[in-house]
Amino acid sequence: GAGVSQSPSNKVTEKGKDVELRCDPISGHTALYWYRQSLGQGLEFLIYFQGNSAPDKSGLPSDRFSAERTGGSVSTLTIQRTQQEDSAVYLCASSLYFRLAGGQNTDTQYFGPGTRLTVL
Amino acid sequence: AQSVTQLGSHVSVSEGALVLLRCNYSSSVPPYLFWYVQYPNQGLQLLLKYTTGATLVKGINGFEAEFKKSETSFHLTKPSAHMSDAAEYFCAVSGHTGFQKLVFGTGTRLLVSP
Repeated sequence: GAGVSQSPSNKVTEKGKDVELRCDPISGHTALYWYRQSLGQGLEFLIYFQGNSAPDKSGLPSDRFSAERTGGSVSTLTIQRTQQEDSAVYLCASSLYFRLAGGQNTDTQYFGPGTRLTVL
Repeated sequence: AQSVTQLGSHVSVSEGALVLLRCNYSSSVPPYLFWYVQYPNQGLQLLLKYTTGATLVKGINGFEAEFKKSETSFHLTKPSAHMSDAAEYFCAVSGHTGFQKLVFGTGTRLLVSP
C-alpha cells in the first residue's frame, strides 16, 4: 500500500521567505508527527497530531514554526521568515492510534522520505 | 526524561563480518526501543522494535537486537554484513503509554568494504 508521502522533496528558499511543507500520512493513521533532521541537532521531534488536534507542540523551535492538520489527514508545516538555521530535512511520520483499557497508545511510526529545506 | 547514546558515529566492517552497533538508553519509565535505518536521500525505515516480552528481537534483513535492562542497552547485530547494509542506523526510545514521541540517538554510519 501507499506509504507516507511528503512534498516537495526539495525546497530552496531565500532568507526571510515563508515556506510550506506537506505531509500525506498512511490512510487510516490518525497519529501524525513532524521531526527535523539537521547536522547540528540530529533528529528532533517537532509536533504531534492526534486527529486534527496537536496535544504536543513542545518541539517547535520558535513561533515562526506552525503546523496544522485538516480532515484528520494531510498536514502542513509552515515556517515563516525562514532563517539559515532552519535548513534541514523535515520528516513526517504517521501511526495508528488505539485505546486500551486504562489508557491510549500509538503504534509504530512510519516515516516519509522527507523534505530537504535549504535557506540561502 | 529519555535519552539515547550511540557509541561510534562510524563503524567499518568487511563484507561477511559481524556487525555490532551499540545503543544505550536512559529512561525514567519502562521503554520501548527501536532501530531505524536510513539509506541515502530516503526516510527512516523500521528495522526492529522492542516493546515487551522476549528480550531478543529479530528484525528485517537479518538484524537482531537484545534488550538488556541491567545494562540499559539495546545493541544491534547481524552475523554477516552485506554491501547493501551500508547506511545510517538510528536507535530510538519512547515511553509505552500515551503518545510515543521518539527520542533518537545521533546515528551510526555503517561502512561495508568488499
